[in-house]
Amino acid sequence: DAGVIQSPRHEVTEMGQEVTLRCKPISGHDYLFWYRQTMMRGLELLIYFNNNVPIDDSGMPEDRFSAKMPNASFSTLKIQPSEPRDSAVYFCASSPPGLARETQYFGPGTRLLVL
Amino acid sequence: DAKTTQPPSMDCAEGRAANLPCNHSTISGNEYVYWYRQIHSQGPQYIIHGLKNNETNEMASLIITEDRKSSTLILPHATLRDTAVYYCIVRAYGGYGNKLVFGAGTILRVKS
Repeated sequence: DAGVIQSPRHEVTEMGQEVTLRCKPISGHDYLFWYRQTMMRGLELLIYFNNNVPIDDSGMPEDRFSAKMPNASFSTLKIQPSEPRDSAVYFCASSPPGLARETQYFGPGTRLLVL
Repeated sequence: DAKTTQPPSMDCAEGRAANLPCNHSTISGNEYVYWYRQIHSQGPQYIIHGLKNNETNEMASLIITEDRKSSTLILPHATLRDTAVYYCIVRAYGGYGNKLVFGAGTILRVKS
């Protein structure tokens, strides 16, 4: 299995631009999570989906952030407009159904720098 | 979910066992102990989890005290590649939303 795939791996953009991060979960997994990691705040859960439905978005920092999961194999996290304080590493993770769902599998992350 | 306390950093000699402690004195009866690690520039990686019995897998062993207020993750023969941040997380099995709350973790440095 290829694992969780994220793209792009690195993104540099200017303040005010729209940024779209992409994630392909492991096939067969029905939970998908978006995390953000910074030096100051550590690893934070932004939002998660179950069977393509958003379950909890309480971690999304503000309306500039939005996430979608149009199907079981693809999710996006969009920031519009982007700000320098959004600079962070964004991780996507997925977990399988059943008892094994307790284990989350993380992608390699997208390193975002907003200038 | 119960909170955890871990030392900020630890050193270990290569080839020796690395013992990483975690205190979770407010753990509830239905809460499990999970361990993840994050190697530099990578996403977190699941290691092991347990309820009250000691657990072992190909990566590590988890020792949970009888009162369940603390636990120790053991890497039996640490290598340089085990240098990482190790996170101890306590949450209910199948708890609401499969949410993992990551603390600051322990930075383990394996030295040759």
